[in-house]
Amino acid sequence: NAGVTQTPKFRVLKTGQSMTLLCAQDMNHEYMYWYRQDPGMGLRLIHYSVGEGTTAKGEVPDGYNVSRLKKQNFLLGLESAAPSQTSVYFCASSPITPGLAGARFGPGTRLTVL
Amino acid sequence: DQQVKQNSPSLSVQEGRISILNCDYTNSMFDYFLWYKKYPAEGPTFLISISSIKDKNEDGRFTVFLNKSAKHLSLHIVPSQPGDSAVYFCAASAEGTYKYIFGTGTRLKVLA
Repeated sequence: NAGVTQTPKFRVLKTGQSMTLLCAQDMNHEYMYWYRQDPGMGLRLIHYSVGEGTTAKGEVPDGYNVSRLKKQNFLLGLESAAPSQTSVYFCASSPITPGLAGARFGPGTRLTVL
Repeated sequence: DQQVKQNSPSLSVQEGRISILNCDYTNSMFDYFLWYKKYPAEGPTFLISISSIKDKNEDGRFTVFLNKSAKHLSLHIVPSQPGDSAVYFCAASAEGTYKYIFGTGTRLKVLA
């Protein structure tokens, strides 16, 4: 039981390049989330999914796209990376009723955009 | 608009003493409140939670207090240990919204 895994762990991009961050969970969780963490800003929700084939916008969705083709995977895409997207990205998942159980987080992906 | 606020970016406490971390929120529709702990280079880990129908929840050394009228919650750690040194995030969720809103975090340093 690996929990939530993220690939890659680190990445450096040039402005304008594209990339996809992969999140996988083996807990059969319905909900999955992508957050970014920036100094002094805490964790901000980018996009989330309430089930296979669904996606929804969070607090800071601009410049990102997501897909949830399989229940266990949630992909975050950057079509044209910008320096403002330099951040640490965390994927998380939670059971069908998030509530008090909390979300389980992955180890994070540190992305630098030059 | 920051719906969940942690106004103290850092806190230092002596080992064995009580650590009190505070969190304020603006949305009266929140039903669940959670605390997460985060070590450097790791993802946040769930620590403790409380429902809006309660005012206290305890788990070992950790206790969360909720004051709905003041829209304020706090996390008490007693006694504090050096291993508790981490960044603590509070988070909130409203029933049916399927998402958690996080505060900006408080860095706790427990001095040996």
